[in-house]
Amino acid sequence: EIVLTQSPGTLSLSPGERATLSCRASQSVTGNYLAWYQHKLGQAPRLLIYGASSRATGIPARFSGGGSGTDFTLTISRLEPEDFAVYYCQQYASSPKTFGQGTKVEI
Amino acid sequence: QVQLQESGPGLVKPSETLSLICTVSGGSVSSGSYYWTWIRQPPGKGLEWLGYIYYSGHTNYNPSLKSRVTMSVDTSKNQFSLKLTSVTPADTAVYYCAREIAAAGTDYYYLDVWGKGTTVTVSS
Repeated sequence: EIVLTQSPGTLSLSPGERATLSCRASQSVTGNYLAWYQHKLGQAPRLLIYGASSRATGIPARFSGGGSGTDFTLTISRLEPEDFAVYYCQQYASSPKTFGQGTKVEI
Repeated sequence: QVQLQESGPGLVKPSETLSLICTVSGGSVSSGSYYWTWIRQPPGKGLEWLGYIYYSGHTNYNPSLKSRVTMSVDTSKNQFSLKLTSVTPADTAVYYCAREIAAAGTDYYYLDVWGKGTTVTVSS
């Protein structure tokens, strides 16, 4: 199975700053079938990005995804207070589908 | 807007069977456009994809649990369910149900809608 490693584990930033989150795969992700999710405590996780770089419906333009092959990034251009959460990457190119361990973005 | 809601016992004894139901509102489990999926997150650990069921009954399970997991769908109630047998404390987790949708023109499915999750503790 494909192992996804996210870094850093925790990102301490202030509102207005830029956040760059990394997701590295143990082998190439076919078709760049990689998604990013945002998760806040007690809430349902929310799809942000699919296909490595396509924003899901209703996701603000400050969220962008990039990368290919084994290295992917999620960038939040200017952090808003509501963006402080845990972010997970997931590959859906091969079964079993796997997740990274998450990056916590905190103030 | 489709919503998913997990339900089931919050406490299960070791060696027994964990049973959860996911109720779908605002959409239909009979739609051929989606897979219906279970994911879990043990305390302090990452997310684990358990598998999915299609409205026809076709399933795909994570090999790590394949011998213990069964998923089913009840189109009359617009629900799908998870059964996990012979549970141990390692099965303690927040369990999420979710919907998977295929990227346009492909046969690759990603998670587009999740439930809020339900906590299941395995303990005597």
